[in-house]
Amino acid sequence: GDSVTQMEGPVTLSEEAFLTINCTYTATGYPSLFWYVQYPGEGLQLLLKATKADDKGSNKGFEATYRKETTSFHLEKGSVQVSDSAVYFCALTSGGYQKVTFGIGTKLQVIP
Amino acid sequence: GAVVSQHPSRVICKSGTSVKIECRSLDFQATTMFWYRQFPKQSLMLMATSNEGSKATYEQGVEKDKFLINHASLTLSTLTVTSAHPEDSSFYICSAHRETPDYEQYFGPGTRLTVT
Repeated sequence: GDSVTQMEGPVTLSEEAFLTINCTYTATGYPSLFWYVQYPGEGLQLLLKATKADDKGSNKGFEATYRKETTSFHLEKGSVQVSDSAVYFCALTSGGYQKVTFGIGTKLQVIP
Repeated sequence: GAVVSQHPSRVICKSGTSVKIECRSLDFQATTMFWYRQFPKQSLMLMATSNEGSKATYEQGVEKDKFLINHASLTLSTLTVTSAHPEDSSFYICSAHRETPDYEQYFGPGTRLTVT
């Protein structure tokens, strides 16, 4: 079945540091890939997505590129802020189905 | 963007009682909604797919008699946890699928259930 693997964390960074959260996936067909963010005490928000190979999703300074050859969708940001502290989930949908398969989530803590 | 609400945001109930959680799509119609459960320090696990006007589809291992799902309209799905026990304490999140214009899922803010 489909699966998503991401580093569990927590990841602790100083403000303005470079962020990378790795995500790899296993899926049948051609999945769509997503990053969701969950701020403390809140639900999920879609951060960015990519629907086909080599697409780059970007939003709020975050970006991720759909790499079919390495089955990866790593999340990056050049300079993190304290307000980026949250849990980040890598996810996919495949086969035209609406069901979302999530990774375990990576907690990011940014310190001033 | 599309808005999905959940009510209540937090609920505490006694063991053996039932509790209902509502999920509403506020500005779009959703034929399909999903219910997830999130355990501490773990990912979201899909519990069931809620289909308007028909029975819900439950994932393997989810007790359908314990977690009753009703999708009576295109904007409302409810999850009722029956005869709740402390192990049912969790964070429950719903999502609603919007077909047009973006064929995207939108998530509610979640409901924290505590069973004492």
